[in-house]
Amino acid sequence: EAGVTQSPTHLIKTRGQQATLRCSPISGHTSVYWYQQALGLGLQFLLWYDEGEERNRGNFPPRFSGRQFPNYSSELNVNALELEDSALYLCASSGEDRGRGKLFFGSGTQLSVL
Amino acid sequence: GNSVTQMEGPVTLSEEAFLTINCTYTATGYPSLFWYVQYPGEGLQLLLKATKADDKGSNKGFEATYRKETTSFHLEKGSVQVSDSAVYFCALTSANQAGTALIFGKGTTLSVSS
Repeated sequence: EAGVTQSPTHLIKTRGQQATLRCSPISGHTSVYWYQQALGLGLQFLLWYDEGEERNRGNFPPRFSGRQFPNYSSELNVNALELEDSALYLCASSGEDRGRGKLFFGSGTQLSVL
Repeated sequence: GNSVTQMEGPVTLSEEAFLTINCTYTATGYPSLFWYVQYPGEGLQLLLKATKADDKGSNKGFEATYRKETTSFHLEKGSVQVSDSAVYFCALTSANQAGTALIFGKGTTLSVSS
């Protein structure tokens, strides 16, 4: 069974540009979570999608947005990139245990903003 | 709001040493508690969990006991191996808030040498 897959593995952008990160959950999982792992800050919760709807959002500005598609895959969009957006972005999925803590993580997209 | 505080690393040990990584939490309601591990180059994976007070989670020789009186969930292992070198994250989710995703601590890096 394939795990959570994220693409691209690495992404290099310049300030002011937009970045799009993609995530495919484990087959059968309907919930997708996005986290930002910045150096020294640990994992910060960004967004949670379930059944195509945004269920919860962390303390991030509106230029961080996303969506979930009918096949449950998800995109994270970051507009007007800033240097401090450089981080590892992790996607996770969960199935029937959604919202209760057992998440399956992908290996992440390393975003570098120059 | 809910939060998790972990001891700062890095923690450097020799093989077969005893490991303790401290974790304390602040939460409303009745949270479930988790330890996730991130091996080099990989995504996070669930190590163990406990869903109510006095529960002990265990896996791969690691243990943690949910202590409500001290709001703690310290991770322990009696004899570490080089292969345990990784980043360890303590996390919680609140059982009465279906809309809340996992809240993570900042992570503790463990380095085990032979």
